Order: sequence, then structure tokens, then C-alpha cells
Amino acid sequence: GQSLEQPSEVTAVEGAIVQINCTYQTSGFYGLSWYQQHDGGAPTFLSYNALDGLEETGRFSSFLSRSDSYGYLLLQELQMKDSASYFCAVRDQEAAGNKLTFGGGTRVLVKP
Amino acid sequence: NAGVTQTPKFQVLKTGQSMTLQCAQDMNHNSMYWYRQDPGMGLRLIYYSASEGTTDKGEVPNGYNVSRLNKREFSLRLESAAPSQTSVYFCASSEALPGFEQFFGPGTRLTVL
Repeated sequence: GQSLEQPSEVTAVEGAIVQINCTYQTSGFYGLSWYQQHDGGAPTFLSYNALDGLEETGRFSSFLSRSDSYGYLLLQELQMKDSASYFCAVRDQEAAGNKLTFGGGTRVLVKP
Repeated sequence: NAGVTQTPKFQVLKTGQSMTLQCAQDMNHNSMYWYRQDPGMGLRLIYYSASEGTTDKGEVPNGYNVSRLNKREFSLRLESAAPSQTSVYFCASSEALPGFEQFFGPGTRLTVL
């Protein structure tokens, strides 16, 4: 089976940097995905890391260390609109399709 | 392109009633998924369909059934609703390979009294 751990909540001010950590335990590993969900909305895809290292997409970056079973999402130059929940997810190696197991989510609150 | 659509958006049921949640995607994806999300919680997979003609149980399948009607449509049925099934239900679709993003529908907010 799969399990993922991430902090439940993080609070920061506008312009700050926030790092959301995710540790995982899986029977097999393909890669780590990140999704964003605003209150009342649907999750939307942010990034996917299959290899070790940092992937940068604008203000958001995602990092993976396969040897440590660890990844993080880095939110830079925080804006009020970044207030949302962020979920890490791993694919189930034993399943067909692109079946994902999601972490419990980290709620990010951005204050003025 | 509409992406992933779900109907209805809201529903209130009484305990013991049945209903079907509809989901359709227009992105020609092979795989489709049904999740439930309880308040303040993550997404839990109910059932998924890796390809047309196949369905498999996810983490929380009890009390639900699914039908992959064709490549576009994947429905979720509650045969006898229970208060514990009060939740937000999301349908998603994706290509069947690792790393491809899952596209989510807007969700159905279900309350069972």
C-alpha cells in the first residue's frame, strides 16, 4: 500500500516563501505529483517529479529525493490567491491506469 | 472543450434512497476515477476505470457501484444511501500512464439525511 505524510496547515504572509514537505511510503514508486485546491473548488495539477532534483514552474517549484522518499513544494513570493490546500500524490505501481494515492493535504493560509 | 463534467452539482437524499452520479469527459482519456472528499480531508479513491470495459475498487468502495458506460462516461451509484456517505464527490480523468495529470470535474455535494 501507499501512505503519505504532509503537515496539516501552514500560515505565512504575502511575499514570503513556504515549503510543504511530503514523505511517502510505497511498494513501488513512479513519481510524486502535487495538486492545488481552493476552497469549494476542484483539485488542479501543479507538478510531477519522476527524477531527483528541483523542477521550477514560475513561482512554484517541486523537489524530489527518491533515496529519502521525500519531496516538497516550494511556494515563492506568496500571494493572497495562493491560499488553498495542497496535496501530494503518488501513483500505485501495482495498479493499471494512473491511479493515485493522495496525502491528507496542507492548508496554506496567506495573510496580508 | 468542457473537460470533465459532473451532474448533479448538489443533491440531498434521505437514508436508504438511491441515486446515480454522472460523469463525462471530452478529452479522449482512457482512465477515469471517482473520489470522495470529506471536510478538511484528502481525496479517497472509491473506484476507477483504467480503460473502457474495466473497473476496479479503490480505497473505499463499500456502498458504491460504478459503470464505465463508454470511453466518455463513468457513473457512480449509491444503492442505499447512508449519512456516512455525505461528502463531496469528484470525478477525474487522465491518460493511463504515470505522470499525466488527472483532470477533475467540479464535484457533486451530497448530503444524506
